[in-house]
Amino acid sequence: GAVVSQHPSWVICKSGTSVKIECRSLDFQATTMFWYRQFPKQSLMLMATSNEGSKATYEQGVEKDKFLINHASLTLSTLTVTSAHPEDSSFYICSASRSGITDTQYFGPGTRLTVL
Amino acid sequence: DAKTTQPNSMESNEEEPVHLPCNHSTISGTDYIHWYRQLPSQGPEYVIHGLTSNVNNRMASLAIAEDRKSSTLILHRATLRDAAVYYCILNSPNAGGTSYGKLTFGQGTILTVHP
Repeated sequence: GAVVSQHPSWVICKSGTSVKIECRSLDFQATTMFWYRQFPKQSLMLMATSNEGSKATYEQGVEKDKFLINHASLTLSTLTVTSAHPEDSSFYICSASRSGITDTQYFGPGTRLTVL
Repeated sequence: DAKTTQPNSMESNEEEPVHLPCNHSTISGTDYIHWYRQLPSQGPEYVIHGLTSNVNNRMASLAIAEDRKSSTLILHRATLRDAAVYYCILNSPNAGGTSYGKLTFGQGTILTVHP
């Protein structure tokens, strides 16, 4: 149990376009979902925390207008990178927890974004 | 945020036990100790967590010092599939805790397992 999927697993896009990444909890309802970013040879950095039906809480330094998060249901959250630029190229990983922000987090497999 | 300190890397031979240490000298009373691991090009995987008592599950054991200022993740028989980056993270369910609600990933320990 506690499986989280992400789609797509990798995406290449042109500079200036927008990219949407989906995160789904397949066998449980996720009260809270998290989005992380990981650059090569670095650790994960939390970008934002979202609860179903409410606005996401962004970490300091993360532009909320650039990284749009929608947590529309208890099994789906989406991250849209708007007007992507090469510096947005990274590994984006989501996680989900059943009971809220302090519960065990189950991670998706990640999405590799390359912006040309 | 309460921080953890881990060795940058460790090596082990296959089928031998591995003890991965973590120091967390500023841990608060409500902080749980979580361990996750990340294989190359994959999302992290939950391993184990505990508060005060030692914990065992099918993947590993967690030994927590009596003063809670350090802990050790124990892989009883390492396999090649255990080669990963292991993260020791503090997380508190108490809003007054130093690590409330967030997983702050450090650099972790890169575990290499030799055949």
